[in-house]
Amino acid sequence: AQSVSQHNHHVILSEAASLELGCNYSYGGTVNLFWYVQYPGQHLQLLLKYFSGDPLVKGIKGFEAEFIKSKFSFNLRKPSVQWSDTAEYFCAVNEHGSSNTGKLIFGQGTTLQVKP
Amino acid sequence: GAGVSQSPSNKVTEKGKDVELRCDPISGHTALYWYRQSLGQGLEFLIYFQGNSAPDKSGLPSDRFSAERTGGSVSTLTIQRTQQEDSAVYLCASSLAWNTGELFFGEGSRLTVL
Repeated sequence: AQSVSQHNHHVILSEAASLELGCNYSYGGTVNLFWYVQYPGQHLQLLLKYFSGDPLVKGIKGFEAEFIKSKFSFNLRKPSVQWSDTAEYFCAVNEHGSSNTGKLIFGQGTTLQVKP
Repeated sequence: GAGVSQSPSNKVTEKGKDVELRCDPISGHTALYWYRQSLGQGLEFLIYFQGNSAPDKSGLPSDRFSAERTGGSVSTLTIQRTQQEDSAVYLCASSLAWNTGELFFGEGSRLTVL
C-alpha cells in the first residue's frame, strides 16, 4: 500500500536558520506530490505541489521542494525561516493517472517551532 | 459558502452512542474527502466521493463507520457505537476536481468519546 513518511516529527529552529523537512513515499509508479501547512488555529492549506516538469517547485512564502525520483523523496526547504513559519507541515502523495488519483495520502506531519 | 463548513465543531459523546458529523463543501466542488487527524498520527484517509461515482471507502477503519453524500453536495459521516479510540478531529475537504490534488479543508469536528 502507498505510504508517506516524514522523518522529522518535531523541529525547533531559530529565526533565519535554514529549514529542510524530509518526505519519502513508497509508491513506485508516477506520483503527484504536495506539501500542506496548518498554521496554529487555521485550516490546512496547500503550500506547493509537483505534477511534472521541473523537479524543483516553488511555493508560497519562500518555500520550495525538490522531487528526487531515484530517492522517492520530496523534501521541503526554506533558506531562512521566520517566526510566522511556526506550523505543522504535511507531505502528501497521490497516484498520477489512475483510478486512485483522487485519493491523497498524507504523512504523519512535522511540527516546526521557530524561536524569535 | 466561502469555505468548507463542518458541524458540529465539538462533540462529546458516551461510548456506545452513534454520532453524525456534517460537511458542506465549497459550491461547485465535485470531490469530497473525509480524513481523521489524531495526535501523532497525521491525517488518516477515510473516504472519498467524486461526483456520482461510487465512493472510495478503502480507508474506513471498521463497519461502524459510514458516509453518504446527498445530491452531490453535503456529506454526513456516521460513526455507530462509538469507542474511545474514535476520539479524534474529523476533517472534511473538497476539491474542484478529483485530480487536482488541491484540497480545501474545513476546520474539523473534534470528537471526544468518554
